[in-house]
Amino acid sequence: EDKVVQSPLSLVVHEGDTVTLNCSYEVTNFRSLLWYKQEKKAPTFLFMLTSSGIEKKSGRLSSILDKKELFSILNITATQTGDSAVYLCAVEHNYGQNFVFGPGTRLSVLP
Amino acid sequence: EAGVAQSPRYKIIEKRQSVAFWCNPISGHATLYWYQQILGQGPKLLIQFQNNGVVDDSQLPKDRFSAERLKGVDSTLKIQPAKLEDSAVYLCASSLGVGRRWFGAFFGQGTRLTVV
Repeated sequence: EDKVVQSPLSLVVHEGDTVTLNCSYEVTNFRSLLWYKQEKKAPTFLFMLTSSGIEKKSGRLSSILDKKELFSILNITATQTGDSAVYLCAVEHNYGQNFVFGPGTRLSVLP
Repeated sequence: EAGVAQSPRYKIIEKRQSVAFWCNPISGHATLYWYQQILGQGPKLLIQFQNNGVVDDSQLPKDRFSAERLKGVDSTLKIQPAKLEDSAVYLCASSLGVGRRWFGAFFGQGTRLTVV
């Protein structure tokens, strides 16, 4: 059965801290891994990763994929209260842009 | 560019009643998804359409849930009859489509359903 696991499930930090969120997966016919940020209801797209070892960056956020060890990490440096959200990892598998989500990591950044 | 539109935003119904949700995807997006997200969990795919055809509905509880996308644009998701465990946020998402360059799916604001 296809599975996506995220850790930790929740995390509380203070502004300025650096955090690392983890996503591991077991899926058939892996195609890509996506990170989303979910505030309130709608997940918003952060990154799509398809190749191992190539870091994607957007401001204070960065992510990398290891296809051999089947995991990805999402780093957030110099966290701000606006980073408080649930961060979802989704893995596209098989064909047809079909993907399965992990349970999410709830990040709370305190002032 | 307009995003994925969903309505209603909130719905409260009694168990055994029926409910329908509507989704209008981003213009030109061939693939449309309906997800169910129970509080504290990640979204779970209910059904995926490519144009007006079903790509994957393996996790759709077909005895009570139905979905259609008749003209390959808007979609409706119906629950009949609703159960307490159907209380969740129902998210609609769209993407360019299979075989086209993939930039991830874009989500609507969701409909929060409460069954009492």
